[in-house]
Order: sequence, then C-alpha cells, then structure tokens
Amino acid sequence: DVKVTQSSRYLVKRTGEKVFLECVQDMDHENMFWYRQDPGLGLRLIYFSYDVKMKEKGDIPEGYSVSREKKERFSLILESASTNQTSMYLCASTVGYNEQFFGPGTRLTVL
Amino acid sequence: GESVGLHLPTLSVQEGDNSIINCAYSNSASDYFIWYKQESGKGPQFIIDIRSNMDKRQGQRVTVLLNKTVKHLSLQIAATQPGDSAVYFCAEKGHNAGNMLTFGGGTRLMVKP
Repeated sequence: DVKVTQSSRYLVKRTGEKVFLECVQDMDHENMFWYRQDPGLGLRLIYFSYDVKMKEKGDIPEGYSVSREKKERFSLILESASTNQTSMYLCASTVGYNEQFFGPGTRLTVL
Repeated sequence: GESVGLHLPTLSVQEGDNSIINCAYSNSASDYFIWYKQESGKGPQFIIDIRSNMDKRQGQRVTVLLNKTVKHLSLQIAATQPGDSAVYFCAEKGHNAGNMLTFGGGTRLMVKP
C-alpha cells in the first residue's frame, strides 16, 4: 500500500515564525502536492512538484514556498506564519494518470 | 473530533439503506473522476474512480455513475453502515491538466443506527 506520511498531526506556531511541514511518500511517486483545507472552501492547491527540484504554483501559493530535494520528500514552508494560515494542510502523491494518495494531514494553528 | 467542513450539505440516512451522493462538475473536458472519503481528523481516502469513456463502475458496495451530458457524477453506497459516516467529495481531472485534480466541496453523510 502507498504510504504518505506527514511530520506532524498538530502544530501550534506564533505569528511571524518560519514553519516547515514535511511530507514523505514511500512509493517512488513523481508527483507530489500540497493542499490546504478550510471549512466551506474545500481543498485548494498550494504548490505541486513533478520531479525533484521542480515546483509549480497552484491556486493559492502566496505566503508559501516548497522544496523537493529528494523524490520521496516534499516540504511546505511558511516563511512568516500569519493567523490566516491556520488550516488543515494535506500532502498527496501520485504516479501517472491515477488517483492521488493523501497523508493524514497537519492541523496548523497560528496564534 | 475535528470538522472537515462546517458548511457542507448533509445527507442523513438510516443504517441499511442505500445512499446516493451527487456531484456536478463544470469542465466538459474532464476525463477522469474520483470519489474520496474523509473521516474526521484523517486525510481523504480513495474510494473509486471512473474514466470518461465509461458511464458506470462498481466496487465493493459502491457504484459510481457518470452522466457526461449533464456533467453529473454520483456515488451510490449500498447497505450504508455507521462506518460510512464521513465527508465525501468528488474530484475531476481535465484532459490537459497533467496530474492536477479539481475538488468539489463535499457532502457529509450521516448514518443513523
């Protein structure tokens, strides 16, 4: 079975802090994605990556950056966390033209 | 538990009944569709998918129907069980969208014992 893991289930940070969210998949998938999920807004794509060191902006990239130094790991970075970035963050991976496999999510609260 | 969505449409069914969850999509070029289930506090789980060259696909207790004429997708769950209680949402992929999915807002299914 594909396994997508995220470094934290719950995270509490302060405004202005730099935040790293890590995602690792163990199935050698080329494609990895970061979403945020908010009540009433559904899943919104922040960034995605087709390969190592490659990244593409999604629908809401402002305030975020990403890093893909290794195929299995895709990191989401909040350069200076703000309260409006309080959300559930979901990582996903896929290979080819198939469904995306999701991690368990990280619930981030920015105070 | 955590709430995935506070403003979702809700479908309430009796245990043992069949459930039908609907999804309308807007992109006529979409050629791949997926249904996900998300339980409280967890990430979305794949349920079933269908490609646009099909109009029906069956899994274990689940059936997905695709009506391309009216751009409508439905998920049918047979003999609904308490463990089926979750948020269900559809996702679509356009022909030229690479591996990007567009997600619907979701429907909360509540199963009454």
